[in-house]
Amino acid sequence: NAGVTQTPKFQVLKTGQSMTLQCAQDMNHEYMSWYRQDPGMGLRLIHYSVGAGITDQGEVPNGYNVSRSTTEDFPLRLLSAAPSQTSVYFCASSYSPTTGELFFGEGSRLTVL
Amino acid sequence: AQSVTQLDSQVPVFEEAPVELRCNYSSSVSVYLFWYVQYPNQGLQLLLKYLSGSTLVKGINGFEAEFNKSQTSFHLRKPSVHISDTAEYFCAVANQAGTALIFGKGTTLSVSS
Repeated sequence: NAGVTQTPKFQVLKTGQSMTLQCAQDMNHEYMSWYRQDPGMGLRLIHYSVGAGITDQGEVPNGYNVSRSTTEDFPLRLLSAAPSQTSVYFCASSYSPTTGELFFGEGSRLTVL
Repeated sequence: AQSVTQLDSQVPVFEEAPVELRCNYSSSVSVYLFWYVQYPNQGLQLLLKYLSGSTLVKGINGFEAEFNKSQTSFHLRKPSVHISDTAEYFCAVANQAGTALIFGKGTTLSVSS
């Protein structure tokens, strides 16, 4: 079972560059989300989606865009990378965001120079 | 708004000793509570969850947690830890809107021989 697949696993960007973190799940989950993990900060929600065509902001959405054109895919776009976006990013999916299990990808480590 | 506070950032213990990782929550409504574990360089995986019913919840790998409404706590316990339990542990609560989990800042459990 693939579960939740994130690519790339590692990326180095220069300030001002843009990029897309890919996330795909094969469990037919309607709910998908993106978190960032920073030392001592835990996980903070960036954006989430409750189904194809429906997205909403989380706690720290600035500088990020998302779209959900299919049930399987939920890419996260960094519009103009900043050093403050250096972090580990996790994509997660679930059949229910608050009662079901969140299935996480293995993470994407992003460094912005 | 819901939030969780993990009272210890690091917990060092010796192998076969008992351990308790503490989590307090704040919520004005019914709560759904979770513990997730993150092994090095991996995503998070669900240990256990409390939705309703019995206040003692058993999870994977011998862990259990007790929901205490009067103390607003959801502490995680294991009677005898193994080296392989070394990981970061996150307490989480469902948000009031029912759209996401709010994570604590994490507790690093270090088990040594």
